[in-house]
Amino acid sequence: AQTVTQSQPEMSVQEAETVTLSCTYDTSESNYYLFWYKQPPSRQMILVIRQEAYKQQNATENRFSVNFQKAAKSFSLKISDSQLGDTAMYFCAFKGGETSGSRLTFGEGTQLTVNP
Amino acid sequence: KAGVTQTPRYLIKTRGQQVTLSCSPISGHRSVSWYQQTPGQGLQFLFEYFSETQRNKGNFPGRFSGRQFSNSRSEMNVSTLELGDSALYLCASSTRGQGEEAFFGQGTRLTVV
Repeated sequence: AQTVTQSQPEMSVQEAETVTLSCTYDTSESNYYLFWYKQPPSRQMILVIRQEAYKQQNATENRFSVNFQKAAKSFSLKISDSQLGDTAMYFCAFKGGETSGSRLTFGEGTQLTVNP
Repeated sequence: KAGVTQTPRYLIKTRGQQVTLSCSPISGHRSVSWYQQTPGQGLQFLFEYFSETQRNKGNFPGRFSGRQFSNSRSEMNVSTLELGDSALYLCASSTRGQGEEAFFGQGTRLTVV
């Protein structure tokens, strides 16, 4: 079974600064996908960024980028030029191969607060 | 196109009752997954339906069940409600392709009293 661990329950950052959220996972699968979702107070889960395990290049999406270390099973999220609207709970999620279907395994979440 | 729609948004039930939650996926999405979110346990996978068949099931008691209709809409049912079933129930739809994004609804907040 896969496990996802986020060791930072809460983090805060000043507006316009950079922050990194950590995530580690454990799996025996070779083909999988990793995601970062954000959940603002509205409770709507929104995809921030995704990474295919077979791709060595780290994914980037505007101000969001990841540092994917496959051997270390680490998948951190970097948010540059933080904005007040980035305040949310961030979840790291794992999706396995064919047999997992659409099942996502989530970490515990990191509550990020961006201060003005 | 319209997003994932969950109804109702809020629900208060009494212990021992049963409840049915509904999820309408994005048009064209045939996979619907359900998750339970609580402060103590976080986000936990309940089950996934694809083409009206349950494809995956999480570690929840048999009181939790679901179904999917031919139009891909899904319902989940919880029977004999317990206080511990109070949670935010999230539904996600996708095309079920490898690496495809799951789109989430805004959830149903269930309170059991």
